[in-house]
Amino acid sequence: QVQLQESGPGLVKPSQTLSLTCTVSNGSISSGSYFWSWIRQPAGKGLEWIGRMYISGTTNYNPSLQSRVTMSVDTSKNQFSLRLSSVTAADTAVYYCARDLGLFRGNALDIWGQGTMVTVSS
Amino acid sequence: DIQMTQSPSSVSASVGDRVTITCRASHDISTWLAWYQQKPGKAPKLLIYAASTLQSGVPPRFSGSGSGTNFTLTISSLQPEDLGSFFCQQANRFPQTFGQGTKVEIK
Repeated sequence: QVQLQESGPGLVKPSQTLSLTCTVSNGSISSGSYFWSWIRQPAGKGLEWIGRMYISGTTNYNPSLQSRVTMSVDTSKNQFSLRLSSVTAADTAVYYCARDLGLFRGNALDIWGQGTMVTVSS
Repeated sequence: DIQMTQSPSSVSASVGDRVTITCRASHDISTWLAWYQQKPGKAPKLLIYAASTLQSGVPPRFSGSGSGTNFTLTISSLQPEDLGSFFCQQANRFPQTFGQGTKVEIK
């Protein structure tokens, strides 16, 4: 069973760049017609879709974050990454990576990482 | 953005009860809808996609229906392990958006 695991700093200073990596295990990030996604959830609140990417480099970002978000993939390491620049306290949240099943299965998110808490504070 | 509105925001029911959660989209999303369950401190788990297709391994007491703007998640016989929050998600247009969640408690 494919598993995802997020990693990265748990504390980021305001105005700096948040960087997270998601490692795919028990399967290849290059196999299948999957997209690789990021979602976040502030404490006690709902889920916000950040964006997704395909291994070809095609990306779809949430317009509310588009100016600050960059996603990338490293197939040699079976990883994909998120960078969010100019962070503020409003970016404090649990960040999840997830696998998007693509068009033929409703773009649903079937596998999720356990989530990593990122706090923006000086 | 497409707004997803869930109701109720919370429900308390007894084991064995039938529980229904509704999700309304602000625009027609056909059947581009998924349902997730999230237990406290855990990542969401996919239950249903394409409005009514049960994800592999999910108990058949969960079912989904609807199309267009109105959708329903039904738990036919509530079990103790079903406690948690349930979210709908539309994947018809970017950005994908989620409902605010429905918290299910066991009486």
